[in-house]
Amino acid sequence: GAGVSQSPSNKVTEKGKDVELRCDPISGHTALYWYRQSLGQGLEFLIYFQGNSAPDKSGLPSDRFSAERTGGSVSTLTIQRTQQEDSAVYLCASSRGGAGTDTQYFGPGTRLTVL
Amino acid sequence: TQLLEQSPQFLSIQEGENLTVYCNSSSVFSSLQWYRQEPGEGPVLLVTVVTGGEVKKLKRLTFQFGDARKDSSLHITAAQPGDTGLYLCASFSSGSARQLTFGSGTQLTVLP
Repeated sequence: GAGVSQSPSNKVTEKGKDVELRCDPISGHTALYWYRQSLGQGLEFLIYFQGNSAPDKSGLPSDRFSAERTGGSVSTLTIQRTQQEDSAVYLCASSRGGAGTDTQYFGPGTRLTVL
Repeated sequence: TQLLEQSPQFLSIQEGENLTVYCNSSSVFSSLQWYRQEPGEGPVLLVTVVTGGEVKKLKRLTFQFGDARKDSSLHITAAQPGDTGLYLCASFSSGSARQLTFGSGTQLTVLP
């Protein structure tokens, strides 16, 4: 695949349920990022992976949010006991991960709606 | 966390008009990026500016970085309907080469 892919594209869930969002980064990209985009808060950083490690989790809003990355590739963002304020578009991005800053390539996002 | 303020929040213009979008901060940017996001897609990087006073051109888009590196502007000449989208400025958070902080965005609509 040429770009970052995310699944599902849309997810509707009921308050209190757990959800898992998946991200497939560009092949060979060692850095992976999760962001959240909502009307009220704009686009916010959640977490960053370098390989399978997460050196920066500072943007996770609560302990209901967690993420993992396996094999240096696919990442899953899990939200437990979803709340209505979790409704947003969750964007994943990847980059080569070299020294210094490098271009982040974004996926199309997963639109999460919590009823 | 560095705060980025964008203006205007919404802009609706006719095809062929010119426009300018602004991005400001009270802090100095190490570098500043501009993205465009279309409905149902993620943001796409347009340009990165690094040096104070820098000007970069991308076809009909001109990006300027303020001399003091606290502000930036995006100017579009002869806007076309294909320019419609959400324009976002972003910078890397202080002390991080990975965490991007985004402005609130300018939603541009170019009417045919």
